Amino acid sequence: GAVVSQHPSRVICKSGTSVKIECRSLDFQATTMFWYRQFPKKSLMLMATSNEGSKATYEQGVEKDKFLINHASLTLSTLTVTSAHPEDSSFYICSASLGTGLDEQYFGPGTRLTVT
Amino acid sequence: GQQVMQIPQYQHVQEGEDFTTYCNSSTTLSNIQWYKQRPGGHPVFLIQLVKSGEVKKQKRLTFQFGEAKKNSSLHITATQTTDVGTYFCAGPKTSYDKVIFGPGTSLSVIP
Repeated sequence: GAVVSQHPSRVICKSGTSVKIECRSLDFQATTMFWYRQFPKKSLMLMATSNEGSKATYEQGVEKDKFLINHASLTLSTLTVTSAHPEDSSFYICSASLGTGLDEQYFGPGTRLTVT
Repeated sequence: GQQVMQIPQYQHVQEGEDFTTYCNSSTTLSNIQWYKQRPGGHPVFLIQLVKSGEVKKQKRLTFQFGEAKKNSSLHITATQTTDVGTYFCAGPKTSYDKVIFGPGTSLSVIP
């Protein structure tokens, strides 16, 4: 099956610093990748849709200058949390879709971000 | 905007009992997807239904897409402790919309 990796799995950073999270599709080319945020015992909140070679589409309420997304290749998308604050602490999960983005999504293992 | 709801939010069952979670969308969906997330894990794709009234089975799991393509259900027969987790439904309104995830149903199985 399709495998998606995420790195790092856990990161602790100080307030004001930036953190980059990588999402890779290991055995397929992902035209579309998604970035989600998940709070404890809550559903997935879509942050943005990332298409290779173009600007990401952000959901309403998500600051694009704070959450920088780059989809440089068909196998790699990155999310950079800039000037992180404690309220940015969360579980960030990426997913990749084989097709148009409306088909099944394959999720990465997630990144637990803690901002102190 | 489009909303996807799931009931119940939580369900505790005795091992061996059946379990059903229901998914309802405020709009017609072009397809419905189901995912399972184990505690501490990430969502894993289970199945996708596309046709009105479609029913698919995976061992003890039965998935159904409503005739109006606005609701779906997941039924687990004779639950096992390995079924523990949160089950999410998701679907796009049209071929041009993004996939919306429901809030999930968290299943606990008491051995």
